[in-house]
Formats: sequence, C-alpha cells, structure tokens
Amino acid sequence: EDQVTQSPEALRLQEGESSSLNCSYTVSGLRGLFWYRQDPGKGPEFLFTLYSAGEEKEKERLKATLTKKESFLHITAPKPEDSATYLCAVQTTDSWGKLQFGAGTQVVVTP
Amino acid sequence: DVKVTQSSRYLVKRTGEKVFLECVQDMDHENMFWYRQDPGLGLRLIYFSYDVKMKEKGDIPEGYSVSREKKERFSLILESASTNQTSMYLCASSPRYEQYFGPGTRLTVT
Repeated sequence: EDQVTQSPEALRLQEGESSSLNCSYTVSGLRGLFWYRQDPGKGPEFLFTLYSAGEEKEKERLKATLTKKESFLHITAPKPEDSATYLCAVQTTDSWGKLQFGAGTQVVVTP
Repeated sequence: DVKVTQSSRYLVKRTGEKVFLECVQDMDHENMFWYRQDPGLGLRLIYFSYDVKMKEKGDIPEGYSVSREKKERFSLILESASTNQTSMYLCASSPRYEQYFGPGTRLTVT
C-alpha cells in the first residue's frame, strides 16, 4: 500500500534558525512529489514538483530535494511569515492524476 | 496565475438540506478535484473529473455526488446534509500533474 509520512508533526523555530522537514514515501512507482504551503483557513498553495531522484528546486528561503525514498524541504534563515503547515503529496504512475497527501508539518517561526 | 474560485467561504446548513458547492477555474484545465480536510485526517479525495461529464469516485464518495457540465465548473452536491459532513471543502484543478487549490469552503451542518 502506498504511504506518505511527514516528520516532524510540528516544528518551532527562531527567526533565522534553518531547519529541514522530511517527507518519506513508499509507492509502487513515483510520477512526482509535490510540496504545498497551507495557511490556517486557506487552501494549499503549490510550491514545487520533483520528478526524479537528485532533483532540487528553490524558491526564496525554501529548497526541496528528492531521493528514491524521501524528500526534504529546507527552510533557510526563516522569517515569521514562513509560519504555515507544509504538506507533501505523491502521485504514482497508476493513480491517474490523484495525489496522496501526508499529514503535514506545522511550522511556527518566532521573532 | 491560476485562479480557482469557490462559491462560498463559509456556509451553514441544516441537517437534511441539499447543499451545492461550486468551483470554477479559469485555466482551461482538464482535471478537477474535490477534497475535504479534517483535523487529524488530512486531505481526503471525494470525487474527481478528467473531462466534461466524466466523474470518478475518490476515497470517500459516500453521501456526495458531483456534476461537471462545463469544463471550467465542477460542483459538489450533498444530497442530504448530515452533521458528519461538517468540514473544510477544497476544490482543485490540474493541467496534468500539479494541482491548484481554491480558497476552501468551511461548511457547518447543524
């Protein structure tokens, strides 16, 4: 059975304190791995797609990487506005466009 | 920019009412999706559609139906609302792989 597990569940950072979020997956065949940011009471905002091991994507203070078993979302020198829940999702080769989401990591960045 | 809009941000309905949630996208995407999101349960797929008048059941379709008469519009219907359908409902559209979400509708059934 396909599984997506995110860790930690919650992360509290000081402003400027870099850290990484983990998304591990067990799937039959990976088509793509997606990262989203979600603010309270709002819909998820698309951040990145990673398709193959070794791929990296960057956007401002965020950098996503992918291996054959997991993905990391690195937050470099975070600011309070980076506080959000970060979701990862996988799409398998036989899922016909459907995404399977992890439970998310809630990040709080304090000044 | 991709724009996905949902008809209401907040909705309060009574048990037994028929409820319509509307979703519109302006990017000519083929695929559209309806999810619900609940604390501790994450995002769960209710229904999706990969073409006009086509629909497929997701993981939790019971108690819901959908309609896609036009490419840009995907409607979720609660035939007879129940209190366990109180939730955040999220619509998404997709050109192929990544999905773009609307702002969500917080539905409360009393």
